[in-house]
Amino acid sequence: EADIYQTPRYLVIGTGKKITLECSQTMGHDKMYWYQQDPGMELHLIHYSYGVNSTEKGDLSSESTVSRIRTEHFPLTLESARPSHTSQYLCASSERRPPWDEQFFGPGTRLTVL
Amino acid sequence: AQTVTQSQPEMSVQEAETVTLSCTYDTSESDYYLFWYKQPPSRQMILVIRQEAYKQQNATENRFSVNFQKAAKSFSLKISDSQLGDAAMYFCAYSTSYGKLTFGQGTILTVHP
Repeated sequence: EADIYQTPRYLVIGTGKKITLECSQTMGHDKMYWYQQDPGMELHLIHYSYGVNSTEKGDLSSESTVSRIRTEHFPLTLESARPSHTSQYLCASSERRPPWDEQFFGPGTRLTVL
Repeated sequence: AQTVTQSQPEMSVQEAETVTLSCTYDTSESDYYLFWYKQPPSRQMILVIRQEAYKQQNATENRFSVNFQKAAKSFSLKISDSQLGDAAMYFCAYSTSYGKLTFGQGTILTVHP
């Protein structure tokens, strides 16, 4: 079944650790996105990609980095986690349904940095 | 820059009743799209309904309908015959044809049996 997956779902980690949040989609979508969402708050776009080897920063500045080596995979990395990085991270991919795009969201990774 | 504002942090409704969630936006674009997304507790966000700005007719999807007022930059969501499964956080969102979404702050909807 075509879907979008995120692992881990929950992560508790100490300050200074390097972490990678995984996002994969089996729908063959070219466009993928990462959003940051604090509890009960709106989503903020932090990274997006329009295809392999294409990555751009979003509207909200983030210390994280992303890569897009394969169409289906869009991991997000924090080189040195800090308590201020505690949040939920949502991955999405979009399908072109002219004249607009429909975004499909993963279940999210809830990150806690101690 | 585009902004989306949801002025109702929380709303509640009795089962089987109707509730309306408000959303206003600001943009200088003439061609854009508006969406309502539903985020149930601990579950994936899903698209509820969408509206193309160039269409005057309000979108409907079963029990969900919108009231799109382009001049007023208003885009409200009406849920008819509310069900317990409608309880969630609802986000209003805006995009252009490039696909990037700008979200509002969200409205938590509680449905009372």
